[in-house]
Amino acid sequence: NAGVTQTPKFQVLKTGQSMTLQCAQDMNHEYMSWYRQDPGMGLRLIHYSVGAGITDQGEVPNGYNVSRSTTEDFPLRLLSAAPSQTSVYFCASSYEPRGLAGLEQYFGPGTRLTVT
Amino acid sequence: SQQGEEDPQALSIQEGENATMNCSYKTSINNLQWYRQNSGRGLVHLILIRSNEREKHSGRLRVTLDTSKKSSSLLITASRAADTASYFCATDGGGADGLTFGKGTHLIIQP
Repeated sequence: NAGVTQTPKFQVLKTGQSMTLQCAQDMNHEYMSWYRQDPGMGLRLIHYSVGAGITDQGEVPNGYNVSRSTTEDFPLRLLSAAPSQTSVYFCASSYEPRGLAGLEQYFGPGTRLTVT
Repeated sequence: SQQGEEDPQALSIQEGENATMNCSYKTSINNLQWYRQNSGRGLVHLILIRSNEREKHSGRLRVTLDTSKKSSSLLITASRAADTASYFCATDGGGADGLTFGKGTHLIIQP
């Protein structure tokens, strides 16, 4: 299993450009999520999905869109990039959203995005 | 908003010593998890402790949970240079949005 994969690893955008960060998992996990990590801020949840066709907003959703057409893929779209979106983005997945069964989240390697 | 807050923010110890990190949280939880992040990498799950558990061990890791104080600690015994990383606690409140992460403790093991 490849686990959770993310592309690209690095990206530089100009203000106003749009792009899609790709995330895929091959573990048949129902739950997928996107976080951003900023220095001194920890990880903040952007959007999440509890299954194909279902998405919802997290703590910091503004400026981002997601879709979940398949179980495997969960792309994150930046509609009009702003310097405030400079961050490291992590995708994660787990079998279910709640940890009641003791199931951890699996993280991708991250995408480092710079918006100039 | 941040649920867990780790303390200290940074910790530097000598190889072979024990490292202790603490996490405090604000609301009730189903479980609490600890993750490690090596520089430039994604997070890796270390250990999970449920709200009805008080202590859990995994190899050189020992986690405690005190729900009355809303706090947890992670102890790494006999530290090694490879333990140098950031450590995050994450709480699961049972909602569909999953885990809420703290800001992390940056641990440096001096050889």
